[in-house]
Amino acid sequence: DVKVTQSSRYLVKRTGEKVFLECVQDMDHENMFWYRQDPGLGLRLIYFSYDVKMKEKGDIPEGYSVSREKKERFSLILESASTNQTSMYLCASSLWGQGNTIYFGEGSWLTVV
Amino acid sequence: KNQVEQSPQSLIILEGKNCTLQCNYTVSPFSNLRWYKQDTGRGPVSLTIMTFSENTKSNGRYTATLDADTKQSSLHITASQLSDSASYICVVSAGNNAGNMLTFGGGTRLMVKP
Repeated sequence: DVKVTQSSRYLVKRTGEKVFLECVQDMDHENMFWYRQDPGLGLRLIYFSYDVKMKEKGDIPEGYSVSREKKERFSLILESASTNQTSMYLCASSLWGQGNTIYFGEGSWLTVV
Repeated sequence: KNQVEQSPQSLIILEGKNCTLQCNYTVSPFSNLRWYKQDTGRGPVSLTIMTFSENTKSNGRYTATLDADTKQSSLHITASQLSDSASYICVVSAGNNAGNMLTFGGGTRLMVKP
């Protein structure tokens, strides 16, 4: 069965802390994505990657960075967490090419206090 | 700018009733349209993927339609169950080779009451 695993479901961090959100997929997918989901705003793309060491900015990359050192792992980094980054973060992956199913992880709820 | 609009924003129906959710899009060039179901506090799960040439596609009690001329899609749920309570998200893919240019709708929150 297809699986996208986000290592942390619930986190509480302090303002200014560095935060790592990890995502691993076991399907050998080329594409990986990080979204945040906020009430009334839907899913917004932060970053995506279509290959190892490749990354592209999404719609809201400010305040975030990513790392993809291995094909199966895509990490989202908040260099200095702020309260407006309190949100649900969703990782997703898919095969390269059109028409392929995008698989989502279960989400990571981050609260910055 | 690519956009996906869903309606209604929220919907309450009684168990056993049918309902239809709408999705209008302005995404170019169009590649495919997907419907996802997202239970509260969980990640979205794929229901259907429809390409330009497909008018209708079913997945159990879920039937999606696509009218590429009017750029509209609908998701029809038949004989609703309590477990259908969730948000339903329409996602349209633009036509790049990587398949990673996605535009998300805001979702419709469905509540099925006994």
